[in-house]
Amino acid sequence: DIQMTQSPSSLSASVGDRVTITCQASQDITNYLNWYQQKPGIAPKLLIYDASNLETGVHSRFSGSGSGTHFSLTVSSLQPEDIGTYFCQQYDNSWTFGQGTKVEIK
Amino acid sequence: QVQLVQSGPEVKKPGASVKVSCKASGYTFTRFAISWVRQAPGQGLEWLGWITAYNGNTNYAQKFQDRFTMTTDTSTSTAYMELRRLESDDTAVYYCARGLGGRVMWGQGTMVTVSS
Repeated sequence: DIQMTQSPSSLSASVGDRVTITCQASQDITNYLNWYQQKPGIAPKLLIYDASNLETGVHSRFSGSGSGTHFSLTVSSLQPEDIGTYFCQQYDNSWTFGQGTKVEIK
Repeated sequence: QVQLVQSGPEVKKPGASVKVSCKASGYTFTRFAISWVRQAPGQGLEWLGWITAYNGNTNYAQKFQDRFTMTTDTSTSTAYMELRRLESDDTAVYYCARGLGGRVMWGQGTMVTVSS
């Protein structure tokens, strides 16, 4: 099984800060990676697909990069509505998810 | 627009079975697989398996292979998941999702509570 190691597990940042979350796959997954945002009691919302493609309707302050085993999600200017938990997901071989990163506003 | 609407919350006793439905609309049902994921309270996301809607081929996570079944009804564009021999650790929100990867679309989730 492919393992996804996501870090950090939580972060607290100020409005306007640049924030980066990383995911490392246990083997090469090319670009078969999604990033999601989840708020309590709501299904995950797709932000980035195929590692770097912005989903329709998602603000351009979100971006994704990486390939192979190392990936990152960046929020260029953190906004209050960005609080929530972020997950990476690989779909190269079945699905596995990162453990999640809880984002809070300082 | 594309929608996946899941059935309502369930409360079951240990040892019982639960069946959750996921009704698709806004697209050709047979063009996409349906995946199932669960999330225990306060925990992360766990993949259960997927089923290709056009021919019913399945891929189950090994952990659930012996007590989890996915089916589809193409006449009603509905996917189903059934989990048997429920344990308290199966208490979770169960999500269906359209697709095998990339632009995945999720249902709203179904809370399944297992309690004696």
